[in-house]
Amino acid sequence: AQTVTQSQPEMSVQEAETVTLSCTYDTSESDYYLFWYKQPPSRQMILVIRQEAYKQQNATENRFSVNFQKAAKSFSLKISDSQLGDAAMYFCAYRIPLTGTASKLTFGTGTRLQVTL
Amino acid sequence: GAGVSQSPSNKVTEKGKDVELRCDPISGHTALYWYRQSLGQGLEFLIYFQGNSAPDKSGLPSDRFSAERTGGSVSTLTIQRTQQEDSAVYLCASSLSGQRLLLPGGYTFGSGTRLTVV
Repeated sequence: AQTVTQSQPEMSVQEAETVTLSCTYDTSESDYYLFWYKQPPSRQMILVIRQEAYKQQNATENRFSVNFQKAAKSFSLKISDSQLGDAAMYFCAYRIPLTGTASKLTFGTGTRLQVTL
Repeated sequence: GAGVSQSPSNKVTEKGKDVELRCDPISGHTALYWYRQSLGQGLEFLIYFQGNSAPDKSGLPSDRFSAERTGGSVSTLTIQRTQQEDSAVYLCASSLSGQRLLLPGGYTFGSGTRLTVV
């Protein structure tokens, strides 16, 4: 079974600084997708960034980038120039790229990010 | 609709009562998922609907939990004889499906229903 582990329950960063959130996963698959979702107090899960396992290049989306280490099964999220609006729960998630029952997302337990002035 | 709509937003119920949670997915999305988020936990998969296929119920924690999806659109999650451990946020998501997804994000989540069993 696939598992996703986030070992940092809480992190704190000062505004304008950079923070890295950790995620490791366990799978026997070679082709899969990895995601970081943000959950603000509104509770709605918002997709931040995604990475296809077959791509060696790390994904980037504006201030958000990932460090994807396939051999180590590591998928960390770096937030640069942190803003107050980045404060939220961040979840790492995994999925195999198939339809049907295998398409469900498996989530980590989340990291609560605080952004301070 | 423009997004996934869930109702009610919050629900407080007495232990032993039945509750119904509703999810209205994005129009045209054939796949619909229910997840449960307990305090301090990640999202736990409950059930998955895909078009007219039999749902994947493998995540339902007990036979007190059931869900249906009428007409391939609105879904209702029912919890019978609620227990305090059922207290959680119940999230619904929908996505396009039917073929290998070219957009691996694809999910749109609702804002969830916070269920409190007292």
